[in-house]
Amino acid sequence: DQQVKQNSPSLSVQEGRISILNCDYTNSMFDYFLWYKKYPAEGPTFLISISSIKDKNEDGRFTVFLNKSAKHLSLHIVPSQPGDSAVYFCAASPNYGGSQGNLIFGKGTKLSVKP
Amino acid sequence: EAGVTQSPTHLIKTRGQQATLRCSPISGHTSVYWYQQALGLGLQFLLWYDEGEERNRGNFPPRFSGRQFPNYSSELNVNALELEDSALYLCASSPALGNTGELFFGEGSRLTVL
Repeated sequence: DQQVKQNSPSLSVQEGRISILNCDYTNSMFDYFLWYKKYPAEGPTFLISISSIKDKNEDGRFTVFLNKSAKHLSLHIVPSQPGDSAVYFCAASPNYGGSQGNLIFGKGTKLSVKP
Repeated sequence: EAGVTQSPTHLIKTRGQQATLRCSPISGHTSVYWYQQALGLGLQFLLWYDEGEERNRGNFPPRFSGRQFPNYSSELNVNALELEDSALYLCASSPALGNTGELFFGEGSRLTVL
């Protein structure tokens, strides 16, 4: 039973346009959410995060939105660049700064940004 | 500052053999996590070690085991290898105190079971 779901395995976007990656979760105890980016042959790298007490967090071209009532979050990339082409993983943590530690990941969405 | 390092990069084994994968965390990090990324399955949580103790374990059989050494490095052992154990094994580390949930990943060890 997947607790973190990324229902779109892939997304293709034109350079300069907006990329929207979606993520749904089932466990209402999750209180911290993260997005990771992964290039081939590399480990995932942290991109942006959001605490459940917020509904938006912005970092440059990247914005994450959280809708707790819908148990949904999304990552917006504006404007999209070819270098953004990667697999994006959504992850959730049941404890913010707590002791459980491990993150629960979705299956990932492969983003392709075409020049 | 050196990141998380893993070895070996690639490992080929046959069914029934044992595999040992190693991980060195970022200096100052005391928590080490192991994840499995099999084809099409995303990152599946395997094990979490902190201060030498196993803190949490994912839904994997007991033939997946590991340990953390006094210098906080870690190894993952997979016994009685099966074909479906073929995957990328990722190690991550984090500081234990004030952990915001962010994990820092290594580049992974690719295990192929023939």
